[in-house]
Amino acid sequence: DGGITQSPKYLFRKEGQNVTLSCEQNLNHDAMYWYRQDPGQGLRLIYYSQIVNDFQKGDIAEGYSVSREKKESFPLTVTSAQKNPTAFYLCASSIRGSGYEQYFGPGTRLTVT
Amino acid sequence: GQQVMQIPQYQHVQEGEDFTTYCNSSTTLSNIQWYKQRPGGHPVFLIQLVKSGEVKKQKRLTFQFGEAKKNSSLHITATQTTDVGTYFCAGKWNTGNQFYFGTGTSLTVIP
Repeated sequence: DGGITQSPKYLFRKEGQNVTLSCEQNLNHDAMYWYRQDPGQGLRLIYYSQIVNDFQKGDIAEGYSVSREKKESFPLTVTSAQKNPTAFYLCASSIRGSGYEQYFGPGTRLTVT
Repeated sequence: GQQVMQIPQYQHVQEGEDFTTYCNSSTTLSNIQWYKQRPGGHPVFLIQLVKSGEVKKQKRLTFQFGEAKKNSSLHITATQTTDVGTYFCAGKWNTGNQFYFGTGTSLTVIP
């Protein structure tokens, strides 16, 4: 059963704690993406990676970090430096970067209090 | 930064009525994609347009890319309750690798 998995679906953290969101894909896609979705707004790109061991900042990378050590995995860490971390986080992948359809995971809803 | 404007933000229609959402860019796009997100779900790819003036159809959905590649529309004919959700466009320019998403149009269909 191919696809993208994100876990957990809901995550609660106290302010000041770092938290890592998991994203795994078994589609053999080269490119992976992290988006943030807030109510009434579109998806905003946090980071993307077109190949293993390489990633680029999106428009709202401040307060986030990523790694891409394996093709299948692209974890996102929300650090304590992120001022408004409560949001719905979506991971996506595409067969290659730049110009291909993106397949989205089910998302993780992070609440920081 | 780069922006794709999408209107309207919300649309309520009676079942059977038509629906259209529009996306606009101030500069020429190279590609535009459309996605649908059901309530509580994740975006699902619908289509990609790349050619000037392109028109593509998927059953009751018609997608258009403007001649100048600065605007696009999604039209749904005779809406059904299964069409409920938020429709996003995502545009890409020749410079850069990322797609920029519009703010989405939330469609409610009243039975």
